[in-house]
Amino acid sequence: ETGVTQTPRHLVMGMTNKKSLKCEQHLGHNAMYWYKQSAKKPLELMFVYSLEERVENNSVPSRFSPECPNSSHLFLHLHTLQPEDSALYLCASSQETNRELFTGELFFGEGSRLTVL
Amino acid sequence: GENVEQHPSTLSVQEGDSAVIKCTYSDSASNYFPWYKQELGKRPQLIIDIRSNVGEKKDQRIAVTLNKTAKHFSLHITETQPEDSAVYFCAIRAGGGADGLTFGKGTHLIIQP
Repeated sequence: ETGVTQTPRHLVMGMTNKKSLKCEQHLGHNAMYWYKQSAKKPLELMFVYSLEERVENNSVPSRFSPECPNSSHLFLHLHTLQPEDSALYLCASSQETNRELFTGELFFGEGSRLTVL
Repeated sequence: GENVEQHPSTLSVQEGDSAVIKCTYSDSASNYFPWYKQELGKRPQLIIDIRSNVGEKKDQRIAVTLNKTAKHFSLHITETQPEDSAVYFCAIRAGGGADGLTFGKGTHLIIQP
């Protein structure tokens, strides 16, 4: 058991749909992340919520909208996606005790496999 | 932003032989260098990490070396076994800030019986 749970595990949506991915961590961590994993590409960091502050990431299109209501839950809201957004979306959490000296191992969830038709 | 180059993209070795994967980076302020292993259909998991004040770290058959001057670090796996077959990702964490890790593209390690 990873301690990081993602739902749904698989999602198929049309380009005009609105859906959300959910992540919950049971590890008491204070930082949560969304990563995108596409074939033949590195894991791409999309969003970070660390020590209850969101770190902006300007390279992520606005059709992806994160929400972190508390330190245990993280959402990724999806709307008007494109076929190239099809990928595995991984949530992760860590415990950051010092922002200047990162010490937290990332604990990943199993991922949500998204297919955009 | 940070850039991490990982080589090779695929590595095939005979069972029992050693495997070495190398990553280079550009941000001299990077201070944390982990390696993650992702088995087929599973989530990435941390296997070993090293910080900028250390040159080498070992954990049984796995070791990581860091050369801060040359800005590269390597994963060494000795006496490889079939269960070592997986994709391995290096990553860096820049100094300062609250950003997460920046990952390399991954190396698909294949252990031949």
